[in-house]
Amino acid sequence: DAGVTQSPTHLIKTRGQQVTLRCSPKSGHDTVSWYQQALGQGPQFIFQYYEEEERQRGNFPDRFSGHQFPNYSSELNVNALLLGDSALYLCASSLVGGAKNIQYFGAGTRLSVL
Amino acid sequence: GENVEQHPSTLSVQEGDSAVIKCTYSDSASNYFPWYKQELGKGPQLIIDIRSNVGEKKDQRIAVTLNKTAKHFSLHITETQPEDSAVYFCAAGSGGSQGNLIFGKGTKLSVKP
Repeated sequence: DAGVTQSPTHLIKTRGQQVTLRCSPKSGHDTVSWYQQALGQGPQFIFQYYEEEERQRGNFPDRFSGHQFPNYSSELNVNALLLGDSALYLCASSLVGGAKNIQYFGAGTRLSVL
Repeated sequence: GENVEQHPSTLSVQEGDSAVIKCTYSDSASNYFPWYKQELGKGPQLIIDIRSNVGEKKDQRIAVTLNKTAKHFSLHITETQPEDSAVYFCAAGSGGSQGNLIFGKGTKLSVKP
């Protein structure tokens, strides 16, 4: 049973560029949440997708957008990259109505903006 | 806004000793409190969680306590082992539907053999 998988594992971009990160949820899960984890900090909630729609959003600018596909996989897009966007981007999956709404995390994508 | 404070930021113990990490939260609506362990180069892994209708939960060497009145919860690890060394995060959420999680800043636990 595959867990949450994210790609790529590492990415280097320059300021102003755009990036797309990908996530496949744990088998049987239908909800995907994205978090940003700066070095030495806890994860910060970006947004959550369910039924191909953004259901909740944290305090992140519109440069951060996402998408969920019919197979429940998801993408995180960041436009006009800033140096401060350098972080570990984590994807977490869960199941609506599941016994505990537990969120399972992937290993993350390390984004470096130069 | 919603906030979770976590202490201490670093904790060093001798193998076999106990470790305690404490968190406080601000949102009264929070009713779900998971703890995650994150090892270097990996994503956070859920180790235990507790809901607001329970005051304490134990799983082998790990236990969590919750005081809703005071809005704080704690992680207790007994008989620590070197493999317990990692960064631990507490989080709070209003998980009635699919609420997002608010994380603390983490505690780096080092267990010395």
